[in-house]
Amino acid sequence: AQSVTQLGSHVSVSEGALVLLRCNYSSSVPPYLFWYVQYPNQGLQLLLKYTSAATLVKGINGFEAEFKKSETSFHLTKPSAHMSDAAEYFCAVSDSKVYKLSFGAGTTVTVRA
Amino acid sequence: GAGVSQSPSNKVTEKGKDVELRCDPISGHTALYWYRQSLGQGLEFLIYFQGNSAPDKSGLPSDRFSAERTGGSVSTLTIQRTQQEDSAVYLCASSPGQGSGGEQFFGPGTRLTVL
Repeated sequence: AQSVTQLGSHVSVSEGALVLLRCNYSSSVPPYLFWYVQYPNQGLQLLLKYTSAATLVKGINGFEAEFKKSETSFHLTKPSAHMSDAAEYFCAVSDSKVYKLSFGAGTTVTVRA
Repeated sequence: GAGVSQSPSNKVTEKGKDVELRCDPISGHTALYWYRQSLGQGLEFLIYFQGNSAPDKSGLPSDRFSAERTGGSVSTLTIQRTQQEDSAVYLCASSPGQGSGGEQFFGPGTRLTVL
């Protein structure tokens, strides 16, 4: 069985400040890990994915995440927040066969001017 | 190119009625997934198609839920005798399939409200 836990349901940051969203996973097999973003009334958009290649993964819009097996973590960061980063972010894990996604509960990011 | 499309975007129905939700995946994508997003349960996997077959239906919550896919393309999720707890956003996603690294492309969803 695979699952993810996102720490913090809400994160508020100032524009220009670091964004850090935490995700820990549980998996009995080498995991595939993903971060998705959801803007209001829209579907999910892939930010980045880890599929057992480089442990530091760079995604779209300046986001990156580091896979740390020893900590079972896959935290998402962005050095400088922009107002357009306000959205809900989901961490997800899948296996490498069916690829069905198990999502965390999500973290809502608000950006203060 | 065209992304994943879903219809209708919104559906309001009365308890006990049947509803059909449609998903048009990206052309050429062999894998198709349905998920449900609700306030109480978050994002949940419902069913996975590879081509027209559904090797994983483990997320369907009851036998009132069924889905099919035809021509390796369009999929329909059917909910019979809808209940208020079925109210949610139903998301469809497609993927190129094996070897693609699991990336799924999501549609905008169908918001179902059961009165």
